[in-house]
Amino acid sequence: GEDVEQSLFLSVREGDSSVINCTYTDSSSTYLYWYKQEPGAGLQLLTYIFSNMDMKQDQRLTVLLNKKDKHLSLRIADTQTGDSAIYFCAEISPGANNLFFGTGTRLTVIP
Amino acid sequence: EAGVTQSPTHLIKTRGQQATLRCSPISGHTSVYWYQQALGLGLQFLLWYDEGEERNRGNFPPRFSGRQFPNYSSELNVNALELEDSALYLCASSLRGREEQFFGPGTRLTVL
Repeated sequence: GEDVEQSLFLSVREGDSSVINCTYTDSSSTYLYWYKQEPGAGLQLLTYIFSNMDMKQDQRLTVLLNKKDKHLSLRIADTQTGDSAIYFCAEISPGANNLFFGTGTRLTVIP
Repeated sequence: EAGVTQSPTHLIKTRGQQATLRCSPISGHTSVYWYQQALGLGLQFLLWYDEGEERNRGNFPPRFSGRQFPNYSSELNVNALELEDSALYLCASSLRGREEQFFGPGTRLTVL
C-alpha cells in the first residue's frame, strides 16, 4: 500500500526559510498536497502540485517535486510565528479518491 | 462562502454506545469524505460518499458506517464504541471530478 513519510519535527528562527520534506511510494499519484493543521483545528489545504510539474510557487510557498526519487518538499520563505503548526503531505489514490497522509511535521518557529 | 461544517464539536460517549457525527459540505460540492485522526495512528481514510452512494471504504470494521443525504450532507455512525475509537473525526468535501479536498474543523469523539 501507499506509504508517505515525513520527519517529525523542525525548528526554525523567525524570518528564516523552512523546508519540510516528504517521500511517497505511489508513482501513479496524480496530485500531491500540503495541508496545515493548527492546534485543535482541522486541515487547511495550503497548496498542491500536479505530478507532471517540477515546481509550483504560491506567494511564500514553493513546492518542489522530484518524481524520480518520489520526493516532495515545501519551502516557506520568511517564516513567521503564525506558521507554527503541523504540516502534512498527502498523495491521492487515483480513482479511489482517498488521501494518504504522511505522519506530519511539527514546525516550531522561534521568535 | 461557508466552508465544511461539522457537528458536534465535541462528543463524549461510553463504551458500547453509538455515536453520530454530522457534516455539511461546501455548497456545490457533491463528494464527502471521512477521516479519523487518532493519537499515534495519524490520519486514516474512512469513507467516501458521492451522489448518495458509498464509493470507497478504508480499512475499518463494519461498525463504522455512514450515509449521504440528497442535499449532500453526511452522517458518520460508529456503533458499539470502543476506547480506541477516541479520535478527531474530520470530514472533507470536493467538487465532482476534482481531487482537492477541503476539510472541516472536526468532531472530537471521546469514549470513556
